[in-house]
Amino acid sequence: EVQLVESGGGLLQPGGSLRLSCAASGFDFSNAWMHWVRQVPGKGLVWVSYINSDGSYTAYADSVKGRFTISRDNGKNTVFLQMNSLRAEDTALYYCARDVSYAMAAWGQGTTVIVS
Amino acid sequence: QSALTQSRSVSGSPGQSVTISCTGTSSDIGTYDFVSWYQHHPGRAPKLIIYDVSRRPSGVPYRFSGSKSGNTASLTISGLQVEDEADYYCCSHTGSYTWMFGGGTKVTVL
Repeated sequence: EVQLVESGGGLLQPGGSLRLSCAASGFDFSNAWMHWVRQVPGKGLVWVSYINSDGSYTAYADSVKGRFTISRDNGKNTVFLQMNSLRAEDTALYYCARDVSYAMAAWGQGTTVIVS
Repeated sequence: QSALTQSRSVSGSPGQSVTISCTGTSSDIGTYDFVSWYQHHPGRAPKLIIYDVSRRPSGVPYRFSGSKSGNTASLTISGLQVEDEADYYCCSHTGSYTWMFGGGTKVTVL
């Protein structure tokens, strides 16, 4: 069974930093593309970042470019999202997702980040 | 990067069909056949129900179907069921390994 478990969320002040983790199991993680997607309470889903299977290519939404960094440790089946210079508008539930054919085929339950 | 355009809400009675549209541009939906749809019940993880415009993952009921014409993608739910009441989001690849979601459509079963 595919499982994605996010962790690392919390409450912090504007300008702070946080690192989210997503532990994966049940599939060949080292060959999987991964994403982070966020949802502000009461609002829609927003794509945040992508990383390819070996971590050599990453991409970001304009709203987080230069502040967030996605990375992965294939030995630990974990993908990370380092978030710096956090703003109130980064407050959201952050999901990690596994990509299959350019779609987010499996999702975790999310971890909540509150910047206030 | 602005969101793909979806109608805010749609409703139907059990057994009816509803269609949700998702309008993008020639830079996203119009160029790529990597359109996906997600069902999201509040408090739960989103669920992929359509990928590659019209393909259904294993286990997704046949009543969910997807299509695309030009810059607009559509999701049709045929034979609406009570459990289909949820938020639905479209998503398109937008080149250079970036993606964009629609604003979401709330489906209400009357």
